[in-house]
Amino acid sequence: GQNIDQPTEMTATEGAIVQINCTYQTSGFNGLFWYQQHAGEAPTFLSYNVLDGLEEKGRFSSFLSRSKGYSYLLLKELQMKDSASYLCAVMDSNYQLIWGAGTKLIIKP
Amino acid sequence: GAVVSQHPSWVICKSGTSVKIECRSLDFQATTMFWYRQFPKQSLMLMATSNEGSKATYEQGVEKDKFLINHASLTLSTLTVTSAHPEDSSFYICSARAGTSDYEQYFGPGTRLTVT
Repeated sequence: GQNIDQPTEMTATEGAIVQINCTYQTSGFNGLFWYQQHAGEAPTFLSYNVLDGLEEKGRFSSFLSRSKGYSYLLLKELQMKDSASYLCAVMDSNYQLIWGAGTKLIIKP
Repeated sequence: GAVVSQHPSWVICKSGTSVKIECRSLDFQATTMFWYRQFPKQSLMLMATSNEGSKATYEQGVEKDKFLINHASLTLSTLTVTSAHPEDSSFYICSARAGTSDYEQYFGPGTRLTVT
């Protein structure tokens, strides 16, 4: 079967760095996405990785290792507005997104 | 660019009535649209995938006669919740993709449905 695993909840301090991990087992692989979702809102796109390595975009970076079925989202210089759920999703061989359950990130002052 | 709208943003209806939710791609042609449902504190659950001009493909466990999907044009898909019940109360989100080579799905803002 297809499976995406990520921690349910994480807590971090404002100004710090946090890494949210995601492991996956899917039928085929056409890329891995990270989305941010604030409560009551739709997800917003953060990053897309299809090749191994690190993609940096401002305070957010995303890493992928296809051989290990592993990705992480790194958030630097955390701000209170970063409190949200972070969803990991993999596009399978049918170009459908397989979603993780999401990681709720709580930022404390 | 790549804006997707949904209407209405929230709706309250009585049990037994039907509700239609529209999803529009405003500045691109969406060959494929997806409908998701999200219950509180849970992740997105794909309900169905629709391609313009063809019947929607429903995920296992989703009743196609209850959740009617129409993708009549390249910019509009509708989801009709028929004979709604309180357990259908949820956050319904659509997303759209321009083509199979376009990897990104663009999400609408969501519709919160409350059935009383």
